[in-house]
Amino acid sequence: NAGVTQTPKFQVLKTGQSMTLQCAQDMNHNSMYWYRQDPGMGLRLIYYSASEGTTDKGEVPNGYNVSRLNKREFSLRLESAAPSQTSVYFCASSGGLIGDEQFFGPGTRLTVL
Amino acid sequence: LAKTTQPISMDSYEGQEVNITCSHNNIATNDYITWYQQFPSQGPRFIIQGYKTKVTNEVASLFIPADRKSSTLSLPRVSLSDTAVYYCLVGSGSARQLTFGSGTQLTVLP
Repeated sequence: NAGVTQTPKFQVLKTGQSMTLQCAQDMNHNSMYWYRQDPGMGLRLIYYSASEGTTDKGEVPNGYNVSRLNKREFSLRLESAAPSQTSVYFCASSGGLIGDEQFFGPGTRLTVL
Repeated sequence: LAKTTQPISMDSYEGQEVNITCSHNNIATNDYITWYQQFPSQGPRFIIQGYKTKVTNEVASLFIPADRKSSTLSLPRVSLSDTAVYYCLVGSGSARQLTFGSGTQLTVLP
């Protein structure tokens, strides 16, 4: 039982490049989340998904797209990366409604030059 | 948006009880209050969740007054391994209203 896994662990992009961050959970959870955490700050929600095929914007969705193709996987895409998107990205999942106990992945550290 | 406010940092000694307070003046009727612990280079880990009054589990207690405008996480008899950042999270029904606090760095000294 791996819990929540994220790939890659580290990534360096140039401004304007695109990439997809992958997240998968094996706990049969309905809800999944993408957060970003900037140095010395708390987590800010980018997108939330209550179930396969449904997504909802969080506090900071601009510049990101997400895809929930099945129950296990929730991906985050940066279409044209900007230096302001340099951050650590965490994926999480929870069994029930938004706000229930969340299980977090190890994070992806992204640097945009 | 239920903005939350926490102290930036706290120091304690091993074996003491630590209380960390979070203010959430605009909490909504349906919002729950959840606390997480985060170690460097790791994702946050759930500690405890509550709606009102007092909740206790094997690692912590959560005190919520009747007006629910604040909450206090209580860690009994802390050890060096409790040194971490502690976040309160308020929210329930809406993704746009799920708000983490800025976190409290707890340092436990020997």
